[in-house]
Amino acid sequence: NAGVTQTPKFRILKIGQSMTLQCAQDMNHNYMYWYRQDPGMGLKLIYYSVGAGITDKGEVPNGYNVSRSTTEDFPLRLELAAPSQTSVYFCASSYWMTSVMNRSTDTQYFGPGTRLTVL
Amino acid sequence: DAKTTQPPSMDCAEGRAANLPCNHSTISGNEYVYWYRQIHSQGPQYIIHGLKNNETNEMASLIITEDRKSSTLILPHATLRDTAVYYCIVRVRNTGFQKLVFGTGTRLLVSP
Repeated sequence: NAGVTQTPKFRILKIGQSMTLQCAQDMNHNYMYWYRQDPGMGLKLIYYSVGAGITDKGEVPNGYNVSRSTTEDFPLRLELAAPSQTSVYFCASSYWMTSVMNRSTDTQYFGPGTRLTVL
Repeated sequence: DAKTTQPPSMDCAEGRAANLPCNHSTISGNEYVYWYRQIHSQGPQYIIHGLKNNETNEMASLIITEDRKSSTLILPHATLRDTAVYYCIVRVRNTGFQKLVFGTGTRLLVSP
C-alpha cells in the first residue's frame, strides 16, 4: 500500500491564483481530513469527510473548498490564493465504522504534505 | 476536548530512555490520551494511545497516572531518528469524527 499520497510536494502561487491540492489513499478508509500547519505551530483542521459525498468544515475552512466524489480521493481547492494561506498542508485518513468498532483503527494516517507559498 | 501542557523542548542522549511528560488535568472520564510525533516537515505519525492502564507497543510505552491528570511517553532506547516534535492529545474515542487538536508539542533532540 502507498498509504496517503499528496501532490504536489511544493508550489508557489501568486496572489489571486487558484489551485487544487490532491490527496489519495489506498487503504479503503472512509474518513479523510485536511490540515494546515503554519511555522512553529500545531496542525489545524480545515475540512473533513466521513465518506464519499459527505464533507464538513473544520476549524479554519475560509478560503478553501473540498469535494469527495470517491472513497480514495479528497482534493482541496484554493480559489483566490492569499499570503495568509502560505503553509504546509497535510491530508490524513482513518477508518471508522460504528457497527464494527473493534475493527476501527482509530488512528489517522498522514500524507507527506504539500508546502505552499503565496507571493 | 481537554487541553494538554507539554514542555517545549527536551534533550536525550542516544541509547538512553526518553521520558516525555504531558499534563492533562481537566481530562474527562471518557477521554483517551494519544501521542503522535512529527519528524522534521513530515506528516504526523501515530505512536500510542491509552485510557487509564499503561500501554506498550513496538514504538513506546505510555504511563498514565492513577488520577489520569498526567502521562509520560517513554521511548526506551532513543535513537537519532527519534528526534521529532511529540504531541500529546486528549480526545474522546468511540466517536466517528476524530478531531485531533495539536498543540505546539515537545521538541525532542536526541544527541550522539
